[in-house]
This record gives sequence, structure tokens and C-alpha cells, in this order.
Amino acid sequence: QQPVQSPQAVILREGEDAVINCSSSKALYSVHWYRQKHGEAPVFLMILLKGGEQKGHDKISASFNEKKQQSSLYLTASQLSYSGTYFCGTERPGTYKYIFGTGTRLKVLA
Amino acid sequence: DTGVSQDPRHKITKRGQNVTFRCDPISEHNRLYWYRQTLGQGPEFLTYFQNEAQLEKSRLLSDRFSAERPKGSFSTLEIQRTEQGDSAMYLCASSPGPRDSGNTIYFGEGSWLTVV
Repeated sequence: QQPVQSPQAVILREGEDAVINCSSSKALYSVHWYRQKHGEAPVFLMILLKGGEQKGHDKISASFNEKKQQSSLYLTASQLSYSGTYFCGTERPGTYKYIFGTGTRLKVLA
Repeated sequence: DTGVSQDPRHKITKRGQNVTFRCDPISEHNRLYWYRQTLGQGPEFLTYFQNEAQLEKSRLLSDRFSAERPKGSFSTLEIQRTEQGDSAMYLCASSPGPRDSGNTIYFGEGSWLTVV
């Protein structure tokens, strides 16, 4: 089963904040976050390797709670360029499968 | 690095025809993935190569699908007897090493397939 993301979709005004969650029914050992714009390939945002790890990248940051098997992506002071679909990605333990979450469509309005 | 390149970028084919997509990963990346993505959905894992060895294959990859990476460099994905349900974007990605060591997966621009 793929990780489940919430919310499925969100609409923001420029400057507003958003949180996107990624939850897995199976253990997570690492989490990647990607953004995909319509018709384009996913673009890597960041990786979280350890439980509890938080990383920041400009105004986008993420946390990883290994015990809860979930990760969250924080978008602060959103910009128009943040629009797209966000996916979490993770490796299935014991396999070579790298799978993606269900996705969250984010639209930032001027 | 020139990035992951895929060819062709777009392909329109008639139902029943065979199609082949090529992927050139970033040089020295020994790990290569194929995904399929339909509109509104996330990428679905199809198969994984480590060098020339195909180590994982999804059940989504029916008998009509085959992938190769003969010399551990470029890879091909062939779909035989295409069906309308095969219409999708086929993404290739490569990585230099173990995911858990922090190595990122880099995606190509994708190959769009339309079966008419």
C-alpha cells in the first residue's frame, strides 16, 4: 500500500502557510518529498533520513516522526511558484520498490 | 551531469502496435527505475535495475511489458500489443546509490504514450 497524504487538495492565497502530511501503514526509514507541476516530472525537494529529523529549504521545511510513521511538509509564506502536486516517497523495507504517496494538489492564488 | 533523458517524449500509436521507450540515466548512476503515471495519480512503480540486473518488478508489469538494461547504462521499456489503458506518462529515474544514504532519485522528463 502506498502512503496516504492529507489533505488531497488545498488552495492558498500568496503568503499563507500550508501543511501536507504523509502517513504510512508500514515502517518508514526515510522519506523524500517531491513537487510535480502539470505535465512535468517530479522534482526532488528534500530527504529525511532519521526519525525526528527536520530539514529546511528556503521557506519549505519538513519533519519526520518515525514512531508515528509519518512525515509533514511545511510551506511557509507560500508563493505562486509553490503550486503543483506534492508527493512523499519512500522505500518499501525489504524490497527495492520506491513508492510515492497519494499526492496533494496545492494551488496558490495571487 | 546532463540529467536523465528519455526518448521519445511523445508517442501516439494504434492499439495493438508495439512501442519502445529509451532512458539514458545520469552517467555513473547504477540504479534505474521505471514508473507509470496517469493523469491525477502519483507515479506507480514498474521496475528497478541495479546495474544490469532487474531486481524488482511490479505486478503491474504484465507479460506485455518488458524492460532491459543490457550494459548497465541505458534502459529500454517495451510494451507489446498496446491497449488504450496503456496510455500514460512513463517516467524513468536514476540514483547513484542507496536511498537511505541520502542519495536522491532524479527523474527524466517522461515519455507520453497515447494509444488510439
